[in-house]
Amino acid sequence: KAGVTQTPRYLIKTRGQQVTLSCSPISGHRSVSWYQQTPGQGLQFLFEYFSETQRNKGNFPGRFSGRQFSNSRSEMNVSTLELGDSALYLCASSLADSTYEQYFGPGTRLTVT
Amino acid sequence: AQKVTQAQTEISVVEKEDVTLDCVYETRDTTYYLFWYKQPPSGELVFLIRRNSFDEQNEISGRYSWNFQKSTSSFNFTITASQVVDSAVYFCALTPSSLNTNAGKSTFGDGTTLTVKP
Repeated sequence: KAGVTQTPRYLIKTRGQQVTLSCSPISGHRSVSWYQQTPGQGLQFLFEYFSETQRNKGNFPGRFSGRQFSNSRSEMNVSTLELGDSALYLCASSLADSTYEQYFGPGTRLTVT
Repeated sequence: AQKVTQAQTEISVVEKEDVTLDCVYETRDTTYYLFWYKQPPSGELVFLIRRNSFDEQNEISGRYSWNFQKSTSSFNFTITASQVVDSAVYFCALTPSSLNTNAGKSTFGDGTTLTVKP
């Protein structure tokens, strides 16, 4: 079974730009969660999508948004990028919802200059 | 608000030593799930174990064992006879159950970096 895939793996953007990251969950998994990982803040929950609906959202500004498609693939978008948005963005999928074990992708390393 | 604390930032042991990673959590939810994940140097987090708040039975799986004590809000993880390949960052996490308004909002600890020296 193929694992969670994330594209792109690396991204360099300039302050003020916007970015879209993509996540393809494991086949059959209906829940996708997004996390931001930084050395200073650790792993922080961004949001969870389940059956195309945002189930919950972390404490991030409205510049961070996401969506899930009918095939469970998910995208997250960050608008008006700031230097502090530089991080590893991780996507995780789980069978039913995130109370089940999550399978993580390799992440997208975003650098904002 | 929920919180997961892994007080040990870094642990270094010599191969074949036993090592215990501590995890203490805070939550107002009465039903929740606890997890341990491993992040090896390659980067991808790997699921190790899941426990629900009703199940305090401790578990042993090969060299790994987990001790869940609801009375002290702790969910500790022990590696017996550690090996170099166990070197990684280990994360403890808490996710409220679907019965709660913040269902699915996972909180991770800051991680414990374990180094096993040959």
